[in-house]
Amino acid sequence: QVQLQESGPGLVMPSQTLSLTCTVSGDSINNDLYYWSWIRQPAEKGLEWIGRRYSSGSTNNNPSVNSRVTVSVDTSKNQFSLKLTSVTAADTAIYYCARGIGRGHDYFDYWGQGILVTVSS
Amino acid sequence: QSALTQPPSVSGSPGQSVTISCTGTSSDVGRYNRVSWYQQPPGTAPKLMIFEVSNRPSGVPDRFSGSKSGNTASLTISGLQAEDEADYFCGSYTSSNTLIFGGGTKLTVL
Repeated sequence: QVQLQESGPGLVMPSQTLSLTCTVSGDSINNDLYYWSWIRQPAEKGLEWIGRRYSSGSTNNNPSVNSRVTVSVDTSKNQFSLKLTSVTAADTAIYYCARGIGRGHDYFDYWGQGILVTVSS
Repeated sequence: QSALTQPPSVSGSPGQSVTISCTGTSSDVGRYNRVSWYQQPPGTAPKLMIFEVSNRPSGVPDRFSGSKSGNTASLTISGLQAEDEADYFCGSYTSSNTLIFGGGTKLTVL
């Protein structure tokens, strides 16, 4: 059974960088059938896709945050990460990591439980 | 990119059927059969219910079905049960090589 678990600080100061890690267990992250994504959900709102990366390196992001986002994959640790720079209160949300099925399928079959990140001084 | 359009809420009585719509454009829902649906009970992570318009993952009851016509996809839940009460989100691939979700629909079982 594949499991994903987010970790990182729950509070980030405005203008700083939000950094989260997702640890994957039950399968190898080094498989280009899948891509590794971050998705967020502000309180009482819908889901917003942030970005994705294949273990091979191919990556793309939501244009709304593209200039601030980096998604990276560490195959040696079976982890992937999110960095979001210059955060504001609008970045406060529950952040989910998820496994996406690639190769022209594009849906998310496994999700982490989510981690609440608050941007505040 | 704008979110896919879903009704904010739907409701139905146990045993009835409900349908949730998801309207996009010719650049996403209308162009690709890469539409998926997710169920999110309060305080939990989303769970995949339908992928590629109408396919159910193993373990999802056949009461859940999906379809698409033009730029609108639909999720139908038949034989409503109390446990179906949750938020439902649609998702789609886009011609910009990105992913997009709907705003979510709250299903209330009366």
